Amino acid sequence: NAGVMQNPRHLVRRRGQEARLRCSPMKGHSHVYWYRQLPEEGLKFMVYLQKENIIDESGMPKERFSAEFPKEGPSILRIQQVVRGDSAAYFCASSQQRATDTQYFGPGTRLTVL
Amino acid sequence: GQQVMQIPQYQHVQEGEDFTTYCNSSTTLSNIQWYKQRPGGHPVFLIQLVKSGEVKKQKRLTFQFGEAKKNSSLHITATQTTDVGTYFCAGRTAGGTSYGKLTFGQGTILTVHP
Repeated sequence: NAGVMQNPRHLVRRRGQEARLRCSPMKGHSHVYWYRQLPEEGLKFMVYLQKENIIDESGMPKERFSAEFPKEGPSILRIQQVVRGDSAAYFCASSQQRATDTQYFGPGTRLTVL
Repeated sequence: GQQVMQIPQYQHVQEGEDFTTYCNSSTTLSNIQWYKQRPGGHPVFLIQLVKSGEVKKQKRLTFQFGEAKKNSSLHITATQTTDVGTYFCAGRTAGGTSYGKLTFGQGTILTVHP
């Protein structure tokens, strides 16, 4: 059973470009969470999605950031017009159902903005 | 909003010594989870605690959840070099749309000297 998959593992963008991060949850999991981690810091919650629904986006910056989890295909975290401060590791986690609680993390995408 | 404080931020031990990290939440938690992250890696789920006063053991690791469900600890007996990494606690509050959201502590970076 494959774990949570994320791609790309490393992404380099210049200021002003767009970054698209993809996450495929574990098989059978329908809940996806995105977290951001700055160097030597903890993980900060960004957004919680179920298929075709955003459940909680309280951690998402108001501008330039968006997330989706379509009926078919992976969840996408999109960052428009990236700035240097967006450089971080972005982790996706999935869980089977909300009541189960345990979240399993993917390997992350390391975003570097030049 | 909910805050989870974790101490110490850094811990250096000699191999064979014990290690403890502590977590305190500003609000009562429905459950708490512990993760380990190796340098350059992703958070790996260790355990979940749900009940007030719960104690769970995994070989040399002992996890505790406080009676008030606002604090938790992880204790490692006789550390080994393979224990190196950052240990995070992550708490979840009950109810509402934020139920899926994990609030992470800042993590404790453990270094074990051979």
